[in-house]
Parts: sequence; C-alpha cells; structure tokens
Amino acid sequence: EAGVAQSPRYKIIEKRQSVAFWCNPISGHATLYWYQQILGQGPKLLIQFQNNGVVDDSQLPKDRFSAERLKGVDSTLKIQPAKLEDSAVYLCASSIWGDRSYEKLFFGSGTQLSVL
Amino acid sequence: KQEVTQIPAALSVPEGENLVLNCSFTDSAIYNLQWFRQDPGKGLTSLLLIQSSQREQTSGRLNASLDKSSGRSTLYIAASQPGDSATYLCAVISSGTYKYIFGTGTRLKVLA
Repeated sequence: EAGVAQSPRYKIIEKRQSVAFWCNPISGHATLYWYQQILGQGPKLLIQFQNNGVVDDSQLPKDRFSAERLKGVDSTLKIQPAKLEDSAVYLCASSIWGDRSYEKLFFGSGTQLSVL
Repeated sequence: KQEVTQIPAALSVPEGENLVLNCSFTDSAIYNLQWFRQDPGKGLTSLLLIQSSQREQTSGRLNASLDKSSGRSTLYIAASQPGDSATYLCAVISSGTYKYIFGTGTRLKVLA
C-alpha cells in the first residue's frame, strides 16, 4: 500500500515570497490533514478536509495561508506572503473517516520550510 | 480545551534499559489515544492506538497503557536499543471532535 506522498521535501524562500506544498493521501482515505510542526513542538492542525469539504480550519492563518482539495484527493497548501515565523515542517496526514475509536493517522514525510 | 503534556521532554538511557514515557491529557472524554514515533527530518509513524474502552495495547517491545479517568497514558519500552532513538509523541481525539491534539513529545536517545 502506497503511503502519503508529499512534495517538495525541502524549500528555502525569502520572506514575503510565496510557496506551495502538495499532498497525495493514501488511496481511499476520505480525511486529509495539514499540520504545522515548529522545531521542538508537537504538530498543530492547520486544516482538516473530509473529501473536498473543510471540517476544521480554525487555526489556519487565513490572511496568508490557503488550502484546497480538489476532487477529494490531492491537496495543496499555499503561503503568501511568507513570514519568518512560518519556518517549520509542514506535515500532511490522512485517515479513512470511520469510527473515531480506532481512527488511525498516516503521515507523509513532510516539507521542511525555511523562510530567510 | 484539550491539552496534552509529555514528560520528560528529553531522556537519555544506556542500551538495554527498560523505560517509561508519560503522556497526560486534561479532558478524559476521548475516543482514542495514539503513540507515534518521529525520526529526525521524517514524518510520524503510528506505533500503538488505544481505544477509549481499552486499558492497554502491546506491539513487540512496546506496551502502552491508558487510564482515562486520570488522564494519563504511558509507553513502556522494554530492553531499549540504539535504534529506538527518536521523538515519541502522543495524541488524543476528544469526544465530539474529529481532531487529534498532540503533545510536544519526548526526545529519546539510547546510548550504545
């Protein structure tokens, strides 16, 4: 079974530039998550999709971050313009969307973003 | 609001030692708790999932316990090996939500 695919693995940009990350979840997984992980901290949920609808985006800085999940499969997360504090690892995860008692999360390898 | 805490933040042990990692959560109304492993520069890998109705789960040298009433979980690693060196994170799904809340992790180093 193929895992969660993310690209790019690394990205270095200057502040005020824009950047986009791509994620392809595990086939058949209805739920897709974007997390931000700052060094030394646990992942923080930015946005959660079920199919192509948004379930939770309460912690997404909507003035600069946007995300979409067209056709309920692939997803793109964009930052425009980037700030120094956006330097972090951006993780994509997916899950089936079923009984929450045994809902398992599967993560991609992440994109390490450095904003200079 | 659910908060998840992990203690200690970092741990260094000699190879072969048995060790315990701790995870605490403030709201006991959860669906499940998961333990993850994260290697440097990598994503998270699920190790064990404990449903709210369960008390423990085992996989190889790993054993995770859950005491929902006290808001605690422990991850026990037996006979630690240098390959166990990684950051271990716990996460819970609170009842009424579909969102995992993560702890900050315990960075483990097993010395050969």
